[in-house]
Amino acid sequence: GAGVSQSPSNKVTEKGKDVELRCDPISGHTALYWYRQRLGQGLEFLIYFQGNSAPDKSGLPSDRFSAERTGESVSTLTIQRTQQEDSAVYLCASSSRTGLGGYGYTFGSGTRLTVV
Amino acid sequence: GENVGLHLPTLSVQEGDNSIINCAYSNSASDYFIWYKQESGKGPQFIIDIRSNMDKRQGQRVTVLLNKTVKHLSLQIAATQPGDSAVYFCAEMGSNYKLTFGKGTLLTVNP
Repeated sequence: GAGVSQSPSNKVTEKGKDVELRCDPISGHTALYWYRQRLGQGLEFLIYFQGNSAPDKSGLPSDRFSAERTGESVSTLTIQRTQQEDSAVYLCASSSRTGLGGYGYTFGSGTRLTVV
Repeated sequence: GENVGLHLPTLSVQEGDNSIINCAYSNSASDYFIWYKQESGKGPQFIIDIRSNMDKRQGQRVTVLLNKTVKHLSLQIAATQPGDSAVYFCAEMGSNYKLTFGKGTLLTVNP
């Protein structure tokens, strides 16, 4: 597609349930990133995929969080046993890293997760 | 690492005035910097970038200044318009291609 697509756009879940968030990057983008943004705050890095390299998971806040990406396509972020503190907007971005036009990421519109 | 848990600093300007948004970055080895604009309910959008071998770069109505000595970035917006109201983030990239974002600044343009 023309941009980064995230689904669902909104998700309300009960505390303790598992949720799965999806990101479709721009076709051909080798790098994919997940960030978390709490209300009124900045972007918190979660995880980074680059091609077939081992992902950089250094930002995942706990072992309840995991993410997968198959090749250079779709990624899913899974949060197990959700807690109210997990409520936030989860943003995905992809990047071509070709050096052309800079290394700027293109962000999706995010998934707003509310844990009740 | 990321600095979360603090509310955003704010800047309020009159329509037509120039705006200057400042950002301090953390890693002296970072070699690429980007400014993003985030409107309510949307993901961040690229505004302008600058590499570490430059100290100034101009776009349409926007200018980014980089001072590597004090690890400081600024974004200047000329003739600020109501549509410029948003949260502005600076981001730095190191050799691992991972972007680290600053806290962000909320810009409010008063008509």
